[in-house]
Amino acid sequence: EAQVTQNPRYLITVTGKKLTVTCSQNMNHEYMSWYRQDPGLGLRQIYYSMNVEVTDKGDVPEGYKVSRKEKRNFPLILESPSPNQTSLYFCASRVAGTGYNEQFFGPGTRLTVL
Amino acid sequence: KQEVTQIPAALSVPEGENLVLNCSFTDSAIYNLQWFRQDPGKGLTSLLLIQSSQREQTSGRLNASLDKSSGRSTLYIAASQPGDSATYLCAVTEAAGNKLTFGGGTRVLVKP
Repeated sequence: EAQVTQNPRYLITVTGKKLTVTCSQNMNHEYMSWYRQDPGLGLRQIYYSMNVEVTDKGDVPEGYKVSRKEKRNFPLILESPSPNQTSLYFCASRVAGTGYNEQFFGPGTRLTVL
Repeated sequence: KQEVTQIPAALSVPEGENLVLNCSFTDSAIYNLQWFRQDPGKGLTSLLLIQSSQREQTSGRLNASLDKSSGRSTLYIAASQPGDSATYLCAVTEAAGNKLTFGGGTRVLVKP
């Protein structure tokens, strides 16, 4: 089944404790992206990657890191999480190209930082 | 900067009634527009994708129209059912194709 998977689905952590949220897709998509969703603010892009070893900032990259060493994986790293990073996180992927293609989303990771 | 707006923010209709959901965007230089459904605490399910060159797309009871020049899209859901209750989000892919810009969503409740 074609899908985007994220792990963990739920995470409660404390301020300053490094964490990684994994994202994997099995559709051989070149483009992958991370979004966060917050009440009243909607979905906002954090980082995106056009292909392996190619990443760029989205609208709200502060406090996050990403890497793209393999085509299928795009982990989101929080080096020193803070309470304002409490949010629902989504990973997405699509075929590369000129942006005409549908994006597929993972099931989300609900993160709480105490 | 692209802004996407969905009005109303919430909508309640009796079962069987047709649903009309609106989406507007400020910059017409888009590649496509996608409609998503989101159930509480869950992920996004893609419903329809309309390319910038298209006027509408249909899938079952769903029909989405796009008027790029006026910056508007409408999602029609025919003969609504309680199972259609969810939040509906529209999003546009901008000219560089690097991200989706989302609207705030319309929360729909279909009463039996």
